[in-house]
Amino acid sequence: EAGVAQSPRYKIIEKRQSVAFWCNPISGHATLYWYQQILGQGPKLLIQFQNNGVVDDSQLPKDRFSAERLKGVDSTLKIQPAKLEDSAVYLCASSERLAGQETQYFGPGTRLLVL
Amino acid sequence: KQEVTQIPAALSVPEGENLVLNCSFTDSAIYNLQWFRQDPGKGLTSLLLIQSSQREQTSGRLNASLDKSSGRSTLYIAASQPGDSATYLCAVPPGGGADGLTFGKGTHLIIQP
Repeated sequence: EAGVAQSPRYKIIEKRQSVAFWCNPISGHATLYWYQQILGQGPKLLIQFQNNGVVDDSQLPKDRFSAERLKGVDSTLKIQPAKLEDSAVYLCASSERLAGQETQYFGPGTRLLVL
Repeated sequence: KQEVTQIPAALSVPEGENLVLNCSFTDSAIYNLQWFRQDPGKGLTSLLLIQSSQREQTSGRLNASLDKSSGRSTLYIAASQPGDSATYLCAVPPGGGADGLTFGKGTHLIIQP
C-alpha cells in the first residue's frame, strides 16, 4: 500500500515570497491533516479536512496561510507571503476510522527554509 | 487547551539497557493516546495507540501504559538497540469531534553501540 506522498521535499525561498506544498493521501482516506513542525518542537496542527470540508482550522494563520482539498483527495497548502518564522517542516497526514479507532499516517514532510 | 509535556528532552544510554520515556497531559478527557517515532528527515511512524479504556499496549519490545486520571503515559523500551535511536513523540486528540493531534516536544533518544 502506497503511503502519504508529499512534494517538494525541500524548498528554499526568500521572505515575502509565496510557496505551495502538495499532499496525496493514502487512497480511500477521508481525513487529511496539515501539521507544522518547527525545529525542536512537536508537530502543530494547522488544518484538518474531512473529504473536501474543513473540520478544524483554528490554528491556521489565515492572513498568510491557505489550504484546499479539491475533490476530497489531494491537498495543497500555500503560504503568501512567507516570513522567516515559517521555516519548518510541513507534514501531511491522512487517516481512516476503523472499528472506532483512528490511526494517522504521516508523509515524509516538506522542509521549508525562509531566508 | 490541551498541553503535552515529555521528559526527558534527550536521553543517551548504552545498548541493552531498559528505559522509560515519560509523557504528561493537562486535560484527562482524552479518548486515546499515541506514541510515535520520528527518524531524521522522515515523517512520523505510529508505534502504539492506547484507548482511554485501556491501561497498556505492547508491541514487541515496546510497552506503553496510560493513567488517564493522573494525566500520564510511559513508553518502556526493553533491551534497547542502536536502531531504536530516534525522537519519540506522544500525542493526544483534543476531543469534541476534531481529531488533529496535540504533540509533546519529544524525547531525542540515542542508543550507544
